[in-house]
Amino acid sequence: NAGVTQTPKFQVLKTGQSMTLQCAQDMNHEYMSWYRQDPGMGLRLIHYSVGAGITDQGEVPNGYNVSRSTTEDFPLRLLSAAPSQTSVYFCASRGLAGRETDTQYFGPGTRLTVL
Amino acid sequence: EDQVTQSPEALRLQEGESSSLNCSYTVSGLRGLFWYRQDPGKGPEFLFTLYSAGEEKEKERLKATLTKKESFLHITAPKPEDSATYLCAVQALRNTGKLIFGQGTTLQVKP
Repeated sequence: NAGVTQTPKFQVLKTGQSMTLQCAQDMNHEYMSWYRQDPGMGLRLIHYSVGAGITDQGEVPNGYNVSRSTTEDFPLRLLSAAPSQTSVYFCASRGLAGRETDTQYFGPGTRLTVL
Repeated sequence: EDQVTQSPEALRLQEGESSSLNCSYTVSGLRGLFWYRQDPGKGPEFLFTLYSAGEEKEKERLKATLTKKESFLHITAPKPEDSATYLCAVQALRNTGKLIFGQGTTLQVKP
């Protein structure tokens, strides 16, 4: 199992550009989520999904879009990048069957810089 | 409002010097409290899940405990390879999957 994979590892954008951060998991997890991590602020939830075709907003959703067409993939789209979106982005997944699937597993992250 | 506060922000220890990290939380109905380890440039790595007050879990030099208001991560005789940022997060009963994270404690263990 590769677990949770993310691409790219690093990305530099100019203000106003758009891009998609990719996330995939091979654990057949229903729940997937995106967090951003900023210095001194901890990890904050952007969007999440409890299954294919179902998505919802987290704590900081503005400027981001998501979709979930398959169980495995959960891409995060930046519509028009802004310097405030400079951050490290983490994708995570977990099952929904009960306590034994409570643990969320995180990907290695994408470090994004918006100039 | 659900909230997690970790202390101290940073901790420097000598190799072999035991200590504890604190995670204070407020949540309306705790489903679980999670500890993660994060190395620089990496994603959080799962350590423990605690569900109810009085519960304890151990892994090598680490032991996590839980009360109704806080959790402690005890580090016994740490080694330099234990240096990392330790993250605490809670999940409320009403929010499937959503984790509320603290800001983390950065631990440095000197040889």
